[in-house]
Amino acid sequence: DSGVTQTPKHLITATGQRVTLRCSPRSGDLSVYWYQQSLDQGLQFLIQYYNGEERAKGNILERFSAQQFPDLHSELNLSSLELGDSALYFCASSVGTSGGSLAKNIQYFGAGTRLSVL
Amino acid sequence: QKEVEQDPGPLSVPEGAIVSLNCTYSNSAFQYFMWYRQYSRKGPELLMYTYSSGNKEDGRFTAQVDKSSKYISLFIRDSQPSDSATYLCAMTPGLMNRDDKIIFGKGTRLHILP
Repeated sequence: DSGVTQTPKHLITATGQRVTLRCSPRSGDLSVYWYQQSLDQGLQFLIQYYNGEERAKGNILERFSAQQFPDLHSELNLSSLELGDSALYFCASSVGTSGGSLAKNIQYFGAGTRLSVL
Repeated sequence: QKEVEQDPGPLSVPEGAIVSLNCTYSNSAFQYFMWYRQYSRKGPELLMYTYSSGNKEDGRFTAQVDKSSKYISLFIRDSQPSDSATYLCAMTPGLMNRDDKIIFGKGTRLHILP
């Protein structure tokens, strides 16, 4: 068990809908990362938050947004869902510092949320 | 050319064999190299990481980096059925700057046949 908790495990929804994925990082970790994993694209970095603030952005669509709350849990909001958004969504966390060694930035992944858009 | 290339497999080998998994990359700025293992329906878990070139051994696993060829490898000795998983390589220039991200390969599916 990585210590990163993601809910729900599975989500089935329809096109055009909006969903929220939730992530609780490991105790003590300040950074949260969101990834999308599909068969053809592999693991794609979406966005990172560090101690409540957005730190880095990857290939995140405008229809997607995220936030990190004062208790450090994070939510990923996906709206106007399309068939192509069906994928596994992973959250990862790390201790994270403003700059630093790899050891403090090793990412520990949750078990993921499987999103199916029908 | 993609930043990180990894053969998706599947790779099937008999139990006890030595497994070689590889990635190539194009960004010469990459300094940190990692291997993650992902079991079906689970999140990736970090197996090993190395800095710059050279070898690193951890039990049955050896990670090797050849920066001159932009090529990294993971060797698994005495492979076991429990090693059956998808292996993802990952790399980053460093983590000092906001733009330094970890780039993952697509993963190689490995099957160890009993």
